Amino acid sequence: QSALTQPPSASGSPGQSVTISCTGTSSDVGGYNCVSWYQQHPGKAPKLMIYEVSKRPSGVPDRFSGSKSGNTASLTVSGLQAEDEADYYCSSCVDNYTWLFGGGTKLTVL
Amino acid sequence: QVQLVQSGAEVKKPGASVRVSCKASGYTFTNYAIHWVRQAPGQRLEWMGYINAGNGDTKYSQRFHGRVTITRDASANTAYMEVTSLTSEDTAVYYCTRKERGMSFPFDHWGQGTLVTVSS
Repeated sequence: QSALTQPPSASGSPGQSVTISCTGTSSDVGGYNCVSWYQQHPGKAPKLMIYEVSKRPSGVPDRFSGSKSGNTASLTVSGLQAEDEADYYCSSCVDNYTWLFGGGTKLTVL
Repeated sequence: QVQLVQSGAEVKKPGASVRVSCKASGYTFTNYAIHWVRQAPGQRLEWMGYINAGNGDTKYSQRFHGRVTITRDASANTAYMEVTSLTSEDTAVYYCTRKERGMSFPFDHWGQGTLVTVSS
């Protein structure tokens, strides 16, 4: 598998919630609790937002949350703010000790 | 604080090779792995491979195996990534990123990225 599957775009108004999905297989997303999510603003390096499916690094607002069901992981952004507008990528380890990224989702705050 | 500082932008001709460096500071270099991820213009992140900075073990994506070599100089807290036989499809920003050893840990700190342009 070359990439995890994410929707190319998502959007919401300020204050609303939006959920981004990330679908893989039982060899990656479904087989391990190693899904992480990264936020990337234009021209910047990615920033870790969620790791081990649902854990937040210090400094990441609790508006960001993660979950997983079967082969699909999800990132939910609640109380959308203008600065949340960015590209979001999921990542998962794979059972041959390699890693995959998703195709990326462009989040637009309307 | 943890920092990963990468070497500057490169312009290469097709068929050439490029080596990008990643100097780490603010943590014990040999306790972590350094992974390399690239992003072609307007495209997704793509995992390339990694090196265990402690013992030098490496693993590569099958997509790049044979064309990419990752090394490290533990005495200089620096990792290197070389790509050979460059084509225009290798034009991308190349990132190094730190990861604690163990499958579940994430890429928690990233370098600033190095733009490699392949053009005749």
